[in-house]
Order: sequence, then structure tokens, then C-alpha cells
Amino acid sequence: LAKTTQPISMDSYEGQEVNITCSHNNIATNDYITWYQQFPSQGPRFIIQGYKTKVTNEVASLFIPADRKSSTLSLPRVSLSDTAVYYCLVESGGAGSYQLTFGKGTKLSVIP
Amino acid sequence: GAVVSQHPSWVICKSGTSVKIECRSLDFQATTMFWYRQFPKQSLMLMATSNEGSKATYEQGVEKDKFLINHASLTLSTLTVTSAHPEDSSFYICSARAGASNEQFFGPGTRLTVL
Repeated sequence: LAKTTQPISMDSYEGQEVNITCSHNNIATNDYITWYQQFPSQGPRFIIQGYKTKVTNEVASLFIPADRKSSTLSLPRVSLSDTAVYYCLVESGGAGSYQLTFGKGTKLSVIP
Repeated sequence: GAVVSQHPSWVICKSGTSVKIECRSLDFQATTMFWYRQFPKQSLMLMATSNEGSKATYEQGVEKDKFLINHASLTLSTLTVTSAHPEDSSFYICSARAGASNEQFFGPGTRLTVL
């Protein structure tokens, strides 16, 4: 079971780029890495998912080094509305048997 | 697209009663649904995985007789907390996955308070 470690909290000013790193040292070959955003009293919202190298979508980029033991979520030019908890999730398994390990989350506070 | 709903959004019940929470995929067929529990200021903890038409797979430490999960159709899964106690008070969140997709779509969560 891949355990994940993230910083507990981060502060950033509006307009800056924010990078949040997640460690997952015992990630398995078939595991995917997914990042979610969660606001208080709401369900998590999918941000981005990747397996290796770099993935980019309209809201974020995900960098995964060759050894895949860590991943970095990059949020360009954050705004106040990006204040939330960000979770790194390592997903493995399939065909009815899953191991889903959420990290403890990183609370991002965006400062005006 | 890919919307998951939960009902109710919050519920308050007396200790010893049972509470049912519904999770629906509104615009896709969910072959797999997951149930999570989240205590205040903590991360999500997977409780169980359910596949349509088969018994749920529970995580270690989760009592299957207390948390009854039914995934009777490709769009509906239910979690019933039986004989609820104050320590069961938590935020319960479901998610759904379609087919071979790796993406989970989460519901908005249900806040359960047991008095």
C-alpha cells in the first residue's frame, strides 16, 4: 500500500505559482497519481492525474520524475478561490479490488 | 457531465437508529462506487468498494454489519449506518467510477450527526 506524504500547509500570494510535492516512495508499477481539491464540507474535485513525466490541463500541471517516488502539483497564478485542501492520491488495483490511499492533504492559503 | 449526487446532504439522528445515505451517478453508469468517511480536519478514509451486482469489499477495521452497502444498479449505491452511535458522526462521501476509467467523481458528501 503506497503511503503518501505531503506538507501540512502552504501560504502563497495571489498571482504566484504554487508547487505542492507529494512523496510516495513505495509506489507500485501500475499505480496512478491523482490530485484532488477539497473545499470545506464538500466532496473532493478532480484536478489532474498522471503516471509519469508531465501532464498539463487547463488548471494545473503534474510533474512526475522517472523514479515516480514523488509528484509535484503546480498551480499557475493562484487566486483567492484556490484556497483549499489539496490531496495526493495513489491508486492501485482494479477489477473490483482497489487500494486508494489519500495523503493527509496540504492546506493552501492564498493571501491577497 | 460526470455528476454524482448524495442524499441527504445532512442528517441528525438519535443514537441507536439507522440512517441510509444514497449515492447516485446522474449522467453515467458507475460500475464501481466507493464510500469514504472523513472526520474533521482529517483526510478521507476509504471504507468500502462496491461493484454493481456484487458484495462490497470493506477496508480493514470497517464493520460490514454496521455499514451496509448496496449497489443494486449502475447508478445507485446506498450506505446504511445501522444502530448509529455518536462516534459514527462524520462526513460520508461517495465516489463513482465508470468502466475502465481511472477517474473518480465525488459526491458532495453527507454530514451525519448522531445525538
